[in-house]
Formats: sequence, structure tokens, C-alpha cells
Amino acid sequence: EVQLVESGGGLVQPGGSLRLSCAASGFTFSSYEMNWVRQAPGKGLEWVSYISSDGSTIYYADSVKGRFTVSRDNAKNSQYLQMNSLRAEDTAVYYCARGYYRDSVRVDYWGQGTLVTVSS
Amino acid sequence: QSALTQPRSVSGSPGQSVTISCTGTSSDVGYYNYVSWYQQHPGKVPKLLIYDVSKRPSGVPDRFSGSKSGNTASLTISGLQAEDEADYYCCSYAGAYSLVFGGGTKLTVL
Repeated sequence: EVQLVESGGGLVQPGGSLRLSCAASGFTFSSYEMNWVRQAPGKGLEWVSYISSDGSTIYYADSVKGRFTVSRDNAKNSQYLQMNSLRAEDTAVYYCARGYYRDSVRVDYWGQGTLVTVSS
Repeated sequence: QSALTQPRSVSGSPGQSVTISCTGTSSDVGYYNYVSWYQQHPGKVPKLLIYDVSKRPSGVPDRFSGSKSGNTASLTISGLQAEDEADYYCCSYAGAYSLVFGGGTKLTVL
């Protein structure tokens, strides 16, 4: 069974930093691309980042570019999101989500999410 | 990376059919046949319903179907059931491994 478990969320002041982790199990992690998708309270879904299966290719949404850094450790079956210079508008549930980008494009499994609150 | 446009809400009675539209641009929905749809019940995780415009993952009932014409994709739910009441999000590939989501549509089963 595919499982994605996020951790690291919490309350942080504007301008602060936070590092999210996502532990994967139930599939060959090193064979899959991964994404972070967030959802502000009462709002819709917003794609945040993409990382290729070997970590060599990375893309970000314009809203986080230059502030967020995604990485992965295939030996630990984990991906990470380092979030710096946090703003109130970054407040959201952050989902770790498995991607599939071969002859098809889809995000097929999602974690339960971790809440990040940016407030003074 | 502007969000795709969905109606804020739709409604239907049990047994009826409803269609949710999702309008993008010639750079996302209109260019790629990689539109997916997600169902999200309150407080729950999004669930993949449709991918690649009209394909269903195993386990998703055939009451859910997808289509696309030009820059607009659609999700049709036939034989509405009470448990279909949820938020629905469309998503399109937008190139360079980026994804763009719609603002979401709240489906009410009357």
C-alpha cells in the first residue's frame, strides 16, 4: 500500500523558516517523481514544486521560487521542502504527492498533509 | 500560472447527471491531453478520479467521466449519489513539469 507521511509543519513567524519532510513507503520511491501541493484554509489546491526521480530536475511555482527548496534522499525514501522567508500567504496544508510523468501525467497518491501557519 | 476557471458550485438531485467545466488556455488545457480531476471530501485528502482527460484509475466508478474540447475540460457525474457531495478540482499539465489547478467546484446533492 502506497503511503506518504508528511511532518514538520507548525506555527512560524513571518520571515521565518520551516522544513517539511515526507516519508514514502509501499512503492519504489526512487522510480517516481514527487510534488508538493498546498491548500490554504478554505481555498483550492496550488501546485508548489516538482522533483524528478533522481533529484536532478526541479521546478517551482512562481509564488515560491527563490524562497523554497525541494530535495529528496532516495536512500531514506524521503523528500523535503525547505521553506524560507515565509509569508502569511504561505499558510496552508502542504501535501506530499506522487507524480507520474511518462506517457501520462497525474498525481496519483497524496499524503495526509501537514499544516503550516505563518503568523506573528 | 493562472488558475483554471471552474464554477464555484453546482447541484443536482440523486440519480441526475451534473457536469463541471474547467476552462484554461491554449498553453495548458488546450495544448496538453493531460487534464485530471480530483474529488475532495471535507477534511479529507484529494482523490484522483480522472486522468489524461478521460481515463479512470481502477476503483473509480464509471459514473465519473471526463472530456475536453478546445481550452475547456469537463467532468460529468451521472447517477448522482449522496456520497458524491464534495469539492472537485481540475488540474492540467502546463509544461516544464508544472501543474495548474482549478479553483474548485462544490457539488451539492439536493
